[in-house]
Amino acid sequence: AQKITQTQPGMFVQEKEAVTLDCTYDTSDPSYGLFWYKQPSSGEMIFLIYQGSYDQQNATEGRYSLNFQKARKSANLVISASQLGDSAMYFCAMRGLTSGTYKYIFGTGTRLKVLA
Amino acid sequence: DGGITQSPKYLFRKEGQNVTLSCEQNLNHDAMYWYRQDPGQGLRLIYYSQIVNDFQKGDIAEGYSVSREKKESFPLTVTSAQKNPTAFYLCASSPPFVQPQHFGDGTRLSIL
Repeated sequence: AQKITQTQPGMFVQEKEAVTLDCTYDTSDPSYGLFWYKQPSSGEMIFLIYQGSYDQQNATEGRYSLNFQKARKSANLVISASQLGDSAMYFCAMRGLTSGTYKYIFGTGTRLKVLA
Repeated sequence: DGGITQSPKYLFRKEGQNVTLSCEQNLNHDAMYWYRQDPGQGLRLIYYSQIVNDFQKGDIAEGYSVSREKKESFPLTVTSAQKNPTAFYLCASSPPFVQPQHFGDGTRLSIL
């Protein structure tokens, strides 16, 4: 069975500092994708970054980077230079490629609060 | 621009009433999904469909029903059998390969 674990229910970070949001996963699928989404208080889900299981380099998108450690089955999101607008709920998700299902598995989320 | 449209944004249901939430996409995606989110919680999968005229139950399908008669549309009916329907409902779609899901803006359902 596939599973995503986010162990940090809430996090605080000072504005302009970097923050790491943890995500570990479990899957028997040899090929999979990992995703991070941001959900502001308004409710919409905003896609941030994607990492493929066979990608050799860690994914980066602007201030977002993904610290992918395949052997440890972790895919932590790093936000550099935090901004007040980064305050939101963050979800880690996964989808297997070879299992034949289009199902995405989500973690329980981490609520990030950026302090001025 | 391509995207997913959910309507209405807010919906109120009386006791014993069925209500239908609309989800339409123009992204030409094969797969569509319905999630339920309770306050401060994560997303729970209700139903998903990988192709027209086919759908599968997710983790919390009881009290809900769906149809997939067109590729673009995946409506969700919250039946009177769903005893605690107050929640935020998100619709999503995805292409067949491993790519990010696209989400609608959600529908907030409340009980009168």
